[in-house]
Amino acid sequence: AQTVTQSQPEMSVQEAETVTLSCTYDTSESDYYLFWYKQPPSRQMILVIRQEAYKQQNATENRFSVNFQKAAKSFSLKISDSQLGDAAMYFCAYRSASNGNQFYFGTGTSLTVIP
Amino acid sequence: DAGVIQSPRHEVTEMGQEVTLRCKPISGHDYLFWYRQTMMRGLELLIYFNNNVPIDDSGMPEDRFSAKMPNASFSTLKIQPSEPRDSAVYFCASSLIRTGGGLHPTAFFGQGTRLTVV
Repeated sequence: AQTVTQSQPEMSVQEAETVTLSCTYDTSESDYYLFWYKQPPSRQMILVIRQEAYKQQNATENRFSVNFQKAAKSFSLKISDSQLGDAAMYFCAYRSASNGNQFYFGTGTSLTVIP
Repeated sequence: DAGVIQSPRHEVTEMGQEVTLRCKPISGHDYLFWYRQTMMRGLELLIYFNNNVPIDDSGMPEDRFSAKMPNASFSTLKIQPSEPRDSAVYFCASSLIRTGGGLHPTAFFGQGTRLTVV
């Protein structure tokens, strides 16, 4: 089974600053999808950003961008101009495009935003 | 669309009782996932369905757990009998993978059911 590793259990960032959350994954597949989900205290899982493995260009959604390094199997999330509302648990996830199509989640990174 | 709808939002039950969690996926989605989230184990995939058929239930912890998807718009996760260690947040998520017309691999989650077994 694929594994997704988030090595930073906790991170903090000053409001308006930039923070990068790390994620690595292990797979032998060439076609897959990668995701970052946010889980605020309300516990709702919210999609932040998605990356298709066949795309070389890094995905961007407003203040959120990723650094996708396919050869290194790395998928980090950069949050620019951090806001208090960004405080949440962030999960990295992998989904195969062919083998069962199930999702694999990392253990999460808890992000604190300091005013 | 109203998104993935789970009920109840909170459930408190006594050990030994039967618990049924319900999920209505987003209309048209062909994948449905049940996850359990705890502090100790994080997000665990329990079972998932494709076109109402269970594909992988290897994450179901014990025979006390069962899941059904009688039609494309409804799924249940049942625990019988419940135990205190089943206390967790249970999420349902749905997704659509469409070939030829574009790929939509994102999973959309419900708000979860917080289960407490006392």
